[in-house]
Amino acid sequence: DVKVTQSSRYLVKRTGEKVFLECVQDMDHENMFWYRQDPGLGLRLIYFSYDVKMKEKGDIPEGYSVSREKKERFSLILESASTNQTSMYLCASSFTLVADSDSGNTIYFGEGSWLTVV
Amino acid sequence: AQSVTQLGSHVSVSEGALVLLRCNYSSSVPPYLFWYVQYPNQGLQLLLKYTSAATLVKGINGFEAEFKKSETSFHLTKPSAHMSDAAEYFCAVSAYTDKLIFGTGTRLQVFP
Repeated sequence: DVKVTQSSRYLVKRTGEKVFLECVQDMDHENMFWYRQDPGLGLRLIYFSYDVKMKEKGDIPEGYSVSREKKERFSLILESASTNQTSMYLCASSFTLVADSDSGNTIYFGEGSWLTVV
Repeated sequence: AQSVTQLGSHVSVSEGALVLLRCNYSSSVPPYLFWYVQYPNQGLQLLLKYTSAATLVKGINGFEAEFKKSETSFHLTKPSAHMSDAAEYFCAVSAYTDKLIFGTGTRLQVFP
């Protein structure tokens, strides 16, 4: 089975702190994603990476950065945490879409990290 | 651009009743469509996906969904609800990209 592991399930940080959320996948997936989940808003894409050292902004990248130094690891960084970044953060991974449509870019999710900024 | 609309943020059914969760999509090219389920305090788990093969897709836990191009819909159904089906359900779309666009979710409650 695919496993996407988020190192911290619950974090409480102070406003202005630098926060690292770590994610590791064990399926040699090219793509990795960070989503934020808020009630009534569903999942919104923050950043994604399609290869080592490559990244693209998603829909809500402001206040976040990412790092992908190794294929299996994708880190989300909050440079200076603010209370409006209190949320559930979900990491995910997938193979790159290929011509065979059955592969259908299924995305596999981690368990989520609950971040509270006080 | 792609988008997904889930009608109804909350759906309540009795145990044994039909479950119907609605999803309409917008896509300028043939889409891939997905349903994910999220149990409390967990990540998302894939229920089923449509990738241009059969229009009726069967997933895990007795769920199925039918792709209807004329209605731009991909509604999720289950003939008989079980208490363990209580969760939040997300519809998602992608098209020739590696990114998924999610709906805002539907919370399913099942009453005994």
